Amino acid sequence: NAGVTQTPKFRVLKTGQSMTLLCAQDMNHEYMYWYRQDPGMGLRLIHYSVGEGTTAKGEVPDGYNVSRLKKQNFLLGLESAAPSQTSVYFCASSYDLSISYEQYFGPGTRLTVT
Amino acid sequence: AQKVTQAQTEISVVEKEDVTLDCVYETRDTTYYLFWYKQPPSGELVFLIRRNSFDEQNEISGRYSWNFQKSTSSFNFTITASQVVDSAVYFCALSEAPTNAGKSTFGDGTTLTVKP
Repeated sequence: NAGVTQTPKFRVLKTGQSMTLLCAQDMNHEYMYWYRQDPGMGLRLIHYSVGEGTTAKGEVPDGYNVSRLKKQNFLLGLESAAPSQTSVYFCASSYDLSISYEQYFGPGTRLTVT
Repeated sequence: AQKVTQAQTEISVVEKEDVTLDCVYETRDTTYYLFWYKQPPSGELVFLIRRNSFDEQNEISGRYSWNFQKSTSSFNFTITASQVVDSAVYFCALSEAPTNAGKSTFGDGTTLTVKP
């Protein structure tokens, strides 16, 4: 199993450009999450999904959109990138909550917005 | 609202010393889960342990041990006989699942440096 994968690993954008980060998991997990990690800080939740076709806002959703058209994929979109969105983005997934609450993390995507 | 505080921003020890990383949490729920994750210099997040609110037993795994005390809302992590490979950022996290869809709130992390 590949676990949780993220594409791309690195990206540099100019202010105003758009992009989509892809998260894929092959563990048949119901729940998926997008976090951002800024220097000296822990992870902050951007958006999450409790199942295929569902999405919900997390702690810092502004400037981001998400979609979960397939159970195994969770996409994070930036419509008009801003320097404040320079960060490391982590995707995570977990089983149905009746089974386990542990989150499995992807390797991260380092995004720089100039 | 849930909150996790890791008051120690950075800790530096010499190899073979014991070190304890503190974690204090706030929650209104009676059912919750606490986690510790390790983030080595390579950047990935590695799950270390999960503890539910109904299990206050301390746990030991090799050189790692965890002390969960509901009375003080703390979930501290001790590394015994530290090694250079333990150098990393360690995060404590809290999840109020199932009421909160499994979402986790993370502390700001403690950077541990183990010197040879």
